[in-house]
Amino acid sequence: EVQLLESGGGLVQPGGSLRLSCAASGFSFSSYAVSWVRQAPGKGLEWVSGISDSGGSTYYADSVKGRFTISRDNSKNTLYVQMDSLRAEDTAVYYCAKGSYNYGSGSYLDYWGQGSLVTVSS
Amino acid sequence: DIVMTQSPDSLAVSLGERATINCKSSQSILYSSDNKNYLAWYQQKPGQPPKLLIFWASTRKSGVPDRFSGSGSGTDFTLTINSLQADDVAVYYCQQYYSTQWTFGQGTKVEIK
Repeated sequence: EVQLLESGGGLVQPGGSLRLSCAASGFSFSSYAVSWVRQAPGKGLEWVSGISDSGGSTYYADSVKGRFTISRDNSKNTLYVQMDSLRAEDTAVYYCAKGSYNYGSGSYLDYWGQGSLVTVSS
Repeated sequence: DIVMTQSPDSLAVSLGERATINCKSSQSILYSSDNKNYLAWYQQKPGQPPKLLIFWASTRKSGVPDRFSGSGSGTDFTLTINSLQADDVAVYYCQQYYSTQWTFGQGTKVEIK
């Protein structure tokens, strides 16, 4: 059974930093692209960032480019996102999602974690 | 970026009736080399993460009831829920994965009339 478990969320002040983790199990983690998707309270889904199977290719939404850094440790079956210079508008539930393919384009999101809430507020 | 626009924003349908949700992309998401439409549909129930329903515009994920169907090509797509059940109350999102800047539609809320 595919499982994705996010952790690391919490309350952070504007301008602060936070790192989210996503522990994966039930599939060959190193063979698939993975992504972060967020959902602000009461709002729709926004793709944030993605990374290829090897970590050699990374992708970012314009809204987080230069502030967020996605990475993965295939030896630990874990996905990360380092979030710096956080803003109030980054407040959201952050979901980790498994891609259907090893690369970005052509990869839909076939399994999702339960999400981790990040609140940016003073 | 490819903009995905869904319509309507919400709809109320009687139990057993059909629900139809439309999704339009700002450019074609039909890849000529494989003749596939790079479009997925997701269902999100309250308090839950999204769940994949359909990919390649019309392929149901294993385990998804056959009352859910997807159609369309190029820039115009439709998710149809035949014989709506109470368990289908949710928000539905389309998403393009044609480019590496994935984008979602704004969502369509389906309720029971």
